[in-house]
Amino acid sequence: QQQVKQSPQSLIVQKGGISIINCAYENTAFDYFPWYQQFPGKGPALLIAIRPDVSEKKEGRFTISFNKSAKQFSLHIMDSQPGDSATYFCAATNSRFRRGSARQLTFGSGTQLTVLP
Amino acid sequence: EAQVTQNPRYLITVTGKKLTVTCSQNMNHEYMSWYRQDPGLGLRQIYYSMNVEVTDKGDVPEGYKVSRKEKRNFPLILESPSPNQTSLYFCASSFNDGAYEQYFGPGTRLTVT
Repeated sequence: QQQVKQSPQSLIVQKGGISIINCAYENTAFDYFPWYQQFPGKGPALLIAIRPDVSEKKEGRFTISFNKSAKQFSLHIMDSQPGDSATYFCAATNSRFRRGSARQLTFGSGTQLTVLP
Repeated sequence: EAQVTQNPRYLITVTGKKLTVTCSQNMNHEYMSWYRQDPGLGLRQIYYSMNVEVTDKGDVPEGYKVSRKEKRNFPLILESPSPNQTSLYFCASSFNDGAYEQYFGPGTRLTVT
């Protein structure tokens, strides 16, 4: 059972366009939602993260929008560039609850973004 | 340079031949974890460790073993690899656990024939 559902699986955007990747979660205890970016041949790296006490977080061209009632969050990449071409993973965890073991990240299935020049 | 290293980066082996993938981090992180990445399935956690001699199963632990004898090292052991373990494997570490930024290694591409 996948607790974090991510779409689309792949996305092609023209340079300068807006890339939008969506994620939905089921566990209402999740309260920390990071996005990881993975370039070919590399490991994932943290891009941006949000907690549900805010509806939006922006860092440069990257913005996370969060809808707590719908249990959805999305990544928006403004003015997409060819250098943004990568695989993006959303993830979620319960950052406050620890039941004698480590808090785990649950990842979405990933979105392969291609930005055409 | 702060980093997570994995070896080997590429490995082709045959069914049943025991293998070990090493992972080392130089950030003095307490938490280390192994993931496998498969198309359409994202990253799935295999095992994790909160500290030396403390390990626990993730979501897909069957067919894998781990050990944490030193804080910096967290090897992944496949005692009898099977073709369904063909995958891309990542080691990660973080300051505390999954609720903090995880630093990933470069990955190990394993093919079991």
